[in-house]
Amino acid sequence: QKEVEQNSGPLSVPEGAIASLNCTYSDRGSQSFFWYRQYSGKSPELIMSIYSNGDKEDGRFTAQLNKASQYVSLLIRDSQPSDSATYLCAVNGNNFNKFYFGSGTKLNVKP
Amino acid sequence: SAVISQKPSRDICQRGTSLTIQCQVDSQVTMMFWYRQQPGQSLTLIATANQGSEATYESGFVIDKFPISRPNLTFSTLTVSNMSPEDSSIYLCSVAGTTYEQYFGPGTRLTVT
Repeated sequence: QKEVEQNSGPLSVPEGAIASLNCTYSDRGSQSFFWYRQYSGKSPELIMSIYSNGDKEDGRFTAQLNKASQYVSLLIRDSQPSDSATYLCAVNGNNFNKFYFGSGTKLNVKP
Repeated sequence: SAVISQKPSRDICQRGTSLTIQCQVDSQVTMMFWYRQQPGQSLTLIATANQGSEATYESGFVIDKFPISRPNLTFSTLTVSNMSPEDSSIYLCSVAGTTYEQYFGPGTRLTVT
């Protein structure tokens, strides 16, 4: 079992819709959770971090964490074509020097 | 967030040679990481390089092949030794602070012929 699992996609949504990206993790002791966006040919950039159960909103982005279900999600409201990228879920394991990345979900936002 | 630079940005190397990649950060950071990313794949952690201690390598990566230096809190190097075509990849350094948010350098694209 992989430490972090994501649906590889591609996930296609029309412009203006809500994109929902999901991630599950296996280490129940994980403390920190992150979403990164990676455009083709570029390095990952941090979008959101979340550390406690519930929702965290930042502009059009909302991260949701459910530690009991070992589940993290990212909602992108009013999706734009510029949001088209691969989204990586990352988890900081019980050992704080350990980071695990999912394989990424490719998002296509169609004009 | 930290500003991170990597040198070189890309290189084409011959089989059997070595390449040293530099990672420079504009502020002092405790944790630095080296990743490899094959085209279309996710990130694979090579090693964690914290200043003042030996680098910690992940399974499948060894110090003889990927020696790492971390002489201070703003700089690290990764050497890819005795290269083969299978080492062709993008190599990324990243840094993290007390929040464990990681910030990545622009990457080094390595092609081994």
